Amino acid sequence: QVQLVESGGGVVQPGRSLRLSCAASGFNFSNYGMHWVRQAPGKGLEWVAIIWHDGSDKYYVDSVKGRFTISRDNSKNTLYLQMNSLTADDTAVYYCAREGGAAGGSFDYWGQGILVTVSS
Amino acid sequence: DVVMTQSPLSLPVTLGQPASISCRFSQSLAYRDGNTYLNWFQQRPGQSPRRLIYKVSNRDSGVPDRFSGSGSGTDFTLKISRVEAEDVGVYYCMQGTHWPYTFGQGTKLEIK
Repeated sequence: QVQLVESGGGVVQPGRSLRLSCAASGFNFSNYGMHWVRQAPGKGLEWVAIIWHDGSDKYYVDSVKGRFTISRDNSKNTLYLQMNSLTADDTAVYYCAREGGAAGGSFDYWGQGILVTVSS
Repeated sequence: DVVMTQSPLSLPVTLGQPASISCRFSQSLAYRDGNTYLNWFQQRPGQSPRRLIYKVSNRDSGVPDRFSGSGSGTDFTLKISRVEAEDVGVYYCMQGTHWPYTFGQGTKLEIK
């Protein structure tokens, strides 16, 4: 079955960096685009970034452009989110989710989420 | 960016009664490939979101048939025919037609 497992979260000081990972299994990872979505404490869902199945294209929400980088290693079935210049507004649970494409639609599978807390 | 309005934000429902959630958009969600990328998600307390409906009206595997999605263009609706206790949670619509992808504000469904 499809599994997405995030890791790499924790407490980080403002201005510092953190890299999240999302290990995928149960499907052919290299055939699917992937997303990062975040949820601030007690708030709604916010789409963060998408990467094409082969890494050839990437899009970001304006609030993270220039600070966050989405990437993937298809040989390791792993998705990444490099987060730089973190601020308190980046405090959230971060989810990775699969892009099902034109046939299957977006966000068909989600990970369990990983908490990132930006605090001094 | 596309402006979206989800309503109501709070939805108290009696067990066994129907429920309905609306999402409206400032632009049509019809894409040039003929699809309309409008999804519905359920997030139970303490859990990850779960997709219920994709491309307006397609129910995901394992989703009870009391959940249904409808709509076109700029107006969309999620309906629950008879609310059960396990339906408690927050429901989100999401559009994937226009960048950036956006989620609705969320509707908190509770049992009266």
